[in-house]
Amino acid sequence: EAGVAQSPRYKIIEKRQSVAFWCNPISGHATLYWYQQILGQGPKLLIQFQNNGVVDDSQLPKDRFSAERLKGVDSTLKIQPAKLEDSAVYLCASSLEAGAHYGYTFGSGTRLTVV
Amino acid sequence: KQEVTQIPAALSVPEGENLVLNCSFTDSAIYNLQWFRQDPGKGLTSLLLIQSSQREQTSGRLNASLDKSSGRSTLYIAASQPGDSATYLCAVKLMIYNQGGKLIFGQGTELSVKP
Repeated sequence: EAGVAQSPRYKIIEKRQSVAFWCNPISGHATLYWYQQILGQGPKLLIQFQNNGVVDDSQLPKDRFSAERLKGVDSTLKIQPAKLEDSAVYLCASSLEAGAHYGYTFGSGTRLTVV
Repeated sequence: KQEVTQIPAALSVPEGENLVLNCSFTDSAIYNLQWFRQDPGKGLTSLLLIQSSQREQTSGRLNASLDKSSGRSTLYIAASQPGDSATYLCAVKLMIYNQGGKLIFGQGTELSVKP
């Protein structure tokens, strides 16, 4: 099966600019996650979708970050305006369901550098 | 609050050595535990998934164990090779009422296998 697709792979922007990342999960996977991974740390959950509804966005900095999942398939994560501390790898993952027994499949990530 | 800790943070071994990576978690009420591999600049590749009812899983030279009661998991790599050099992350899955599954990561162990 095809994996989780993310684009772009790399992005360099200046602080206060805006940026958007795209994710296409594995076909049929109802649950989609966005994670932020700062260098040297483990990934941190930003937002979780179940189909096209938000399940958990408690750690999403909503003053600058937004995300949507169109028609329960593709998702976009946007940062506006970006800060230096947003420099990180943004990982998208999907799971067949959010249920107990299902594992996650991750995409290759988007590496964001804010200068 | 669930916390996941991985020890050591970094490990360097000569080729051919058997090694063990450790993961501990503070809350034993987990549904599963997953070990991932991350190559520099890349996304996460799932290695092994252990359900809470299981004690271990094996894949090739990799063996992962889970002791829920003590809050520990180990990843055993037999006959290490330079190609095993990567960061290894463990993550536990929690079930949050009305939110489905939530994956909490450790900070990772950076492994270097010297030829």
